Amino acid sequence: EIVMTQSPATLSVSPGERATLSCRASQSVSSNLAWYQQKPGQAPRLLIYGASTRATGIPARFSGSGSGTEFTLTISSLQSEDFAVYYCQQYNNWPPPWTFGQGTKVEIK
Amino acid sequence: QITLKESGPTLVKPTQTLTLTCTFSGFSLSTSGVGVGWIRQPPGKALEWLALIYWDDDKRYSPSLKSRLTITKDTSKNQVVLTMTNMDPVDTATYYCAHSPEFITGAFDIWGQGTMVTVSS
Repeated sequence: EIVMTQSPATLSVSPGERATLSCRASQSVSSNLAWYQQKPGQAPRLLIYGASTRATGIPARFSGSGSGTEFTLTISSLQSEDFAVYYCQQYNNWPPPWTFGQGTKVEIK
Repeated sequence: QITLKESGPTLVKPTQTLTLTCTFSGFSLSTSGVGVGWIRQPPGKALEWLALIYWDDDKRYSPSLKSRLTITKDTSKNQVVLTMTNMDPVDTATYYCAHSPEFITGAFDIWGQGTMVTVSS
């Protein structure tokens, strides 16, 4: 099973600042990496797939990069609605499971 | 517009079997490449991928839970059912169903609202 490790666990950022979240896979997942945003009491929302492709309706301030084992989600200028928990998920290896990371909480500094 | 909604019991006793139903609209589970999966999240914890069923009735399970899980679909009713046997308090979680499109097999672009299941005697 591929283990996904996210860092940091918590990121304190001021509104308007840039946030950089990391996700590392225990073995290569090529570009088969998705990022989700989850707000309290809500279901996750797909932000990024294919490591760098924004999902429908996702603002341009969200960007993803990386391939293989190292991935980054960048939020260029944090808005109030961006404070949430962010999860990465690999969907590369076969057979499943297609594992999630443990999450990074982005909180207001 | 794709929507999914989970339904089932909110409370089950240890050793009982949990049956959850995902009712969806806006897509057909007979369309090539499409899947519906289940993911759970214990309170305050991370997401855990459980199972996924494809348009062609191919089924995939988390190896750690495979012996306890069964996923089925009823295309005519637009429903996917997940059963989990021998429930334990550690299975207390919010259970989500979600749509897996062809271009991200195994990942999910649209999620249901989730249903909280508590396992307690």
